[in-house]
Amino acid sequence: QVQLQESGPGLVKPSQTLSLTCTVSGGSVSIAGYSWNWIRQHPEKGLEWIGYIYHSGDTYYNPSLKSRVTISVDTSKNQFSLKLSSVTAADTAIYYCARGRGTVAPDWGQGTLVTVSS
Amino acid sequence: QSVLTQPPSASGTPGQRVTISCSGSNSNIGSNTVNWYLQLPGTAPKLLIQSNDQRPSGVPDRFSASKSGTSASLAISGLQSEDEADYYCAAWDDSLLGPVFGGGTKVTVL
Repeated sequence: QVQLQESGPGLVKPSQTLSLTCTVSGGSVSIAGYSWNWIRQHPEKGLEWIGYIYHSGDTYYNPSLKSRVTISVDTSKNQFSLKLSSVTAADTAIYYCARGRGTVAPDWGQGTLVTVSS
Repeated sequence: QSVLTQPPSASGTPGQRVTISCSGSNSNIGSNTVNWYLQLPGTAPKLLIQSNDQRPSGVPDRFSASKSGTSASLAISGLQSEDEADYYCAAWDDSLLGPVFGGGTKVTVL
């Protein structure tokens, strides 16, 4: 059973870069056929897909965030990461990492709250 | 504003049947399968239904779903207190090349 765990600062200042890492256990980020996703949930609101990366390194981002997002994978550490630049209060959310297969994401991390505030 | 449209709330008494609708467009529900997620307070979403109507292992058969055209629905039969949660529909979007979600429906057991 694969498990995913998000880690990173819970507080980021406006205009700075949000950086999160997802550590994967019980499965490998190097295996073909899976996408490694970041999804966020604003307080008391719905879910928003941020982007994903394949083991090959190919990335796909939500157009609404594309100019500020970078997702990368570190196969040696079995991790993948999210960087979101120039953050504002509107980026305050719970950030989830998730493993996808095809068009479904059956495996999620527990989520980590990131607050953007000075 | 979410790409897929769900009612914000639904409710029922124990034992009743509750249905939740999800409306999209040709680029998402109309072209791809629909998945449903359940989110209990303070926890991550959990896959409830995949590929329109398939229950992953461990999901009770009280939960069922269907899709028609650009809409989908989730039904909970024999409603139980533990079913109080937020329910989200999701589908791949061919324009976005990623998943889109509904705004979520909060189910309350009266």
